[in-house]
Amino acid sequence: KNQVEQSPQSLIILEGKNCTLQCNYTVSPFSNLRWYKQDTGRGPVSLTIMTFSENTKSNGRYTATLDADTKQSSLHITASQLSDSASYICVVRGAGNMLTFGGGTRLMVKP
Amino acid sequence: KAGVTQTPRYLIKTRGQQVTLSCSPISGHRSVSWYQQTPGQGLQFLFEYFSETQRNKGNFPGRFSGRQFSNSRSEMNVSTLELGDSALYLCASSQWTDANTGELFFGEGSRLTVL
Repeated sequence: KNQVEQSPQSLIILEGKNCTLQCNYTVSPFSNLRWYKQDTGRGPVSLTIMTFSENTKSNGRYTATLDADTKQSSLHITASQLSDSASYICVVRGAGNMLTFGGGTRLMVKP
Repeated sequence: KAGVTQTPRYLIKTRGQQVTLSCSPISGHRSVSWYQQTPGQGLQFLFEYFSETQRNKGNFPGRFSGRQFSNSRSEMNVSTLELGDSALYLCASSQWTDANTGELFFGEGSRLTVL
């Protein structure tokens, strides 16, 4: 069964600190993995996409990594800001363009 | 370029009623998918339409249905509403190109409360 597990479920950090969110998946075959950011009351927005051949990709203060061998991805946020407070959702695309969603990590950045 | 538009944004219904939600995708996007989001369950896939045909379906009861029109606009319907149907319903559109690789562009959602 295809599954995407995210950890931690929730996280509180102080403004300016770094954090790393984890995504483990069992989806096979694997097509790509996206990280989405969802602000409260808004729809999710794509932050980055990782394909099989990519190990790391940055988008500003967000850096995603992918280890296709261990089926793990991480999203690292550097120098967090209050606006980073949101839910971060890992979505894996597999066979037949089927998507499997992780449960999300709710991040709160405090001043 | 206008984003994905969902209407209505908020609605309140009572048990047993039915509801229809509407979604207008980004111009040129032919794929529309629907999701239910609740605090405890996260995003749950409902169904996906492409060129008026349902391409994939999630694990939801038959009370949940949808359709897509020739202009790619989509509607979803929930009949015989239950309290547990209270959720944020998100619509996403997608354009399948090598560059896009299926990125979902979400609307703001329709928040349904069932009393």
